[in-house]
Amino acid sequence: DTGVSQDPRHKITKRGQNVTFRCDPISEHNRLYWYRQTLGQGPEFLTYFQNEAQLEKSRLLSDRFSAERPKGSFSTLEIQRTEQGDSAMYLCASIATGNYGYTFGSGTRLTVV
Amino acid sequence: SQQGEEDPQALSIQEGENATMNCSYKTSINNLQWYRQNSGRGLVHLILIRSNEREKHSGRLRVTLDTSKKSSSLLITASRAADTASYFCAFPGTSYGKLTFGQGTILTVHP
Repeated sequence: DTGVSQDPRHKITKRGQNVTFRCDPISEHNRLYWYRQTLGQGPEFLTYFQNEAQLEKSRLLSDRFSAERPKGSFSTLEIQRTEQGDSAMYLCASIATGNYGYTFGSGTRLTVV
Repeated sequence: SQQGEEDPQALSIQEGENATMNCSYKTSINNLQWYRQNSGRGLVHLILIRSNEREKHSGRLRVTLDTSKKSSSLLITASRAADTASYFCAFPGTSYGKLTFGQGTILTVHP
């Protein structure tokens, strides 16, 4: 386990469908973050987990978005009733408490058509 | 909320030249970090500078931080084609270590 894994790498879905993304962080990292990145912009914070507890959610995370991290291991991000504006790269990052540099996954690129 | 601004938005140079990217922010920070992102990929942590540091080096990277001007710069010396990427500054917010990212500088190094 040498990095953060995200699955799938790419997802094309029709508007109105539900999608779910998975993130497997580095096993000893207790902190996990989801970010969203649109073309030409820096990543924007979506939500944060410490172990299994979701401690913060951005206002960007509408009611259609939900995230979980059961047992403090992998995490899932679900988007219900997708809209074209949800098209973006969804990035997962993990870090151990006391460290500073995040380890990012390669992201899931979502295209809503 | 804190925001970061980077300039230039894009930078095109020849291999062997130096590249300098600048980042400004609005509120107090306790550290500032730089990340690299190759096209369509995740971000890679490059270097962190703490608020009590003025300059830090890592290989061909040199980072400076001026807390009085709320600005930082990243210098890449003797650039290589493989340095072609987007570079982002980022700094932690007040809660839970979440990072606020700048808009990034797109660096193109021509062989």
